[in-house]
Amino acid sequence: QKEVEQNSGPLSVPEGAIASLNCTYSDRGSQSFFWYRQYSGKSPELIMSIYSNGDKEDGRFTAQLNKASQYVSLLIRDSQPSDSATYLCALPRGSSASKIIFGSGTRLSIRP
Amino acid sequence: GAGVSQSPSNKVTEKGKDVELRCDPISGHTALYWYRQSLGQGLEFLIYFQGNSAPDKSGLPSDRFSAERTGGSVSTLTIQRTQQEDSAVYLCASSTGVTQPQHFGDGTRLSIL
Repeated sequence: QKEVEQNSGPLSVPEGAIASLNCTYSDRGSQSFFWYRQYSGKSPELIMSIYSNGDKEDGRFTAQLNKASQYVSLLIRDSQPSDSATYLCALPRGSSASKIIFGSGTRLSIRP
Repeated sequence: GAGVSQSPSNKVTEKGKDVELRCDPISGHTALYWYRQSLGQGLEFLIYFQGNSAPDKSGLPSDRFSAERTGGSVSTLTIQRTQQEDSAVYLCASSTGVTQPQHFGDGTRLSIL
């Protein structure tokens, strides 16, 4: 099992709908989780951090963390064409983490 | 405030030449990372510096790759005797610690002819 797994997509969502992106991880000791957005030809930018079980909302974005099931999700409400990008899940490796592990990313396409 | 700065933004060189890529992290950030991203691919971890600790070099693909971080700030990634497969975007990121989110520079696009 990969340390961080994401569906590569592409995930196609109609404009105005909710986009749901999922990430599963193997290390139960992970405590911090991050979602990055990467537009084509650009570098990743942080959009959400989550550290506790449950939901964390920031504008149209909601991160959901379930440590027992070892998954973290990102919901994007009222999807816009500008949300079309690759979304990367990332977390430190283990409780004595020495580096951040990135998933391979999910490509999201919002169709008008 | 200033973000992570990388230079050059683009580098084209001939196979066999050495190249140096520079990263200036956000002031006060103790952790610095180098990644490589080939076209359409994910991030490939190369090396990680944290404060004065020995760097984690586990991601360097060969002994042609090396990196330094002087004075706990600026870092240089050096690739010796470049090969065509080294062509990629090299990204640098910094953070206040390994469990904290990373902030990325704009990257250096390296093309080996």
